[in-house]
Amino acid sequence: QVQLVQSGAEVKKPGASVKVSCKASGYTFTNYYIHWVRQAPGQGLEWVGIINPGGGSTSYAQKFQGRVTMTRDTSTSTVYMELSSLRSEDTAVYYCARSSVNDAFDIWGQGTMVTVSS
Amino acid sequence: DIQMTQSPSSLSASVGDRVTITCRASQSISSYLNWYQQKPGKAPKLLIYAASSLQSGVPSRFSGSGSGTDFTLTISSLQPEDFATYYCQQSYTTPLTFGQGTRLEIK
Repeated sequence: QVQLVQSGAEVKKPGASVKVSCKASGYTFTNYYIHWVRQAPGQGLEWVGIINPGGGSTSYAQKFQGRVTMTRDTSTSTVYMELSSLRSEDTAVYYCARSSVNDAFDIWGQGTMVTVSS
Repeated sequence: DIQMTQSPSSLSASVGDRVTITCRASQSISSYLNWYQQKPGKAPKLLIYAASSLQSGVPSRFSGSGSGTDFTLTISSLQPEDFATYYCQQSYTTPLTFGQGTRLEIK
């Protein structure tokens, strides 16, 4: 079945980096863009950025420019999101999501909890 | 950035009730409006895309309407499994933005 499976929870110290993976299966990986969305504890949804698995092009929210890098590995149908210079405010669940018609997110990963704490 | 404002922020209702949630965009987004349902500890689930198109597998009691700046999500007859948080999202332009959410609780 069509699914996105993310890597496991991470605990990082302030100033460190984290790299979260999102493995796609059940569909043609290069045909659908992947977005990253985060959700701080008890808060709403925040868009981080998008990657085109086909060509590798990316676009990031201004808030994360310079700190986030999205990449993909077509051989394993996996996209990655790396966030650097972590601070406590980056503590959140990070989701990858596939965009379909109207750029709606029709398939979501299960989420990866990233905790930033000294 | 386009601001998305949902109302109400929370809502108490009973099984069988008809419920409407409103989403307003800070500028026109045509029909680039999507609705999601999220239950605690779970990823969001797509309900409605392009303002009024029902995602495959979603019950027909869910419907969406609107265009431009004003949109609504309606649940015609609430079921126990519908108690959750609902988010609207604009996909007209980046950065994609979400409403703050509407928490639907059991009365």
